[in-house]
Amino acid sequence: DGGITQSPKYLFRKEGQNVTLSCEQNLNHDAMYWYRQDPGQGLRLIYYSQIVNDFQKGDIAEGYSVSREKKESFPLTVTSAQKNPTAFYLCASGTSSYNEQFFGPGTRLTVL
Amino acid sequence: EDKVVQSPLSLVVHEGDTVTLNCSYEVTNFRSLLWYKQEKKAPTFLFMLTSSGIEKKSGRLSSILDKKELFSILNITATQTGDSAIYLCAPGGSQGNLIFGKGTKLSVKP
Repeated sequence: DGGITQSPKYLFRKEGQNVTLSCEQNLNHDAMYWYRQDPGQGLRLIYYSQIVNDFQKGDIAEGYSVSREKKESFPLTVTSAQKNPTAFYLCASGTSSYNEQFFGPGTRLTVL
Repeated sequence: EDKVVQSPLSLVVHEGDTVTLNCSYEVTNFRSLLWYKQEKKAPTFLFMLTSSGIEKKSGRLSSILDKKELFSILNITATQTGDSAIYLCAPGGSQGNLIFGKGTKLSVKP
């Protein structure tokens, strides 16, 4: 069953804690992306990676970090430096040749 | 700077109405424009447009791109309550990245 999975679905964190959101794909896509969505806003790009062991900052990378050690996996860490981390986080994958991206189900992060 | 403007931001119609959603864009090295539908969670793909003037259709939905005037429209005919969602426009450049608009929230009343 091909697709993108994200875990957990819901995540609660206390202020000052780092948390890591998981994203896995078995679509054999080279590119993977992390977006943040706030109410009434579109998707804003946090980080993206077009190849293993390489990634670039998006528009709102401050307070976030990523790694891309395997083609299938692109975890996102929300650090304590992110001042307003409560949001809906979406992971996507695609090919560099085409713009079409496929999305995972998302993780809703709430900071208590 | 790349930008995408969708209008209207929200729209309330009744079942059976026809709606037109607008998207204007400015994107460096434009390659294609995508439309997505987002209900509760992940956006789902609707259309990818790369050429001007060629309408893409899927059931009651259709979309067209004008690369000269830098806009796209998404039409939905005979709307149903299941069409209620946020519709996202996302032009993309040659690097593969998408620039998302804020979306149009469509509410279809019975």
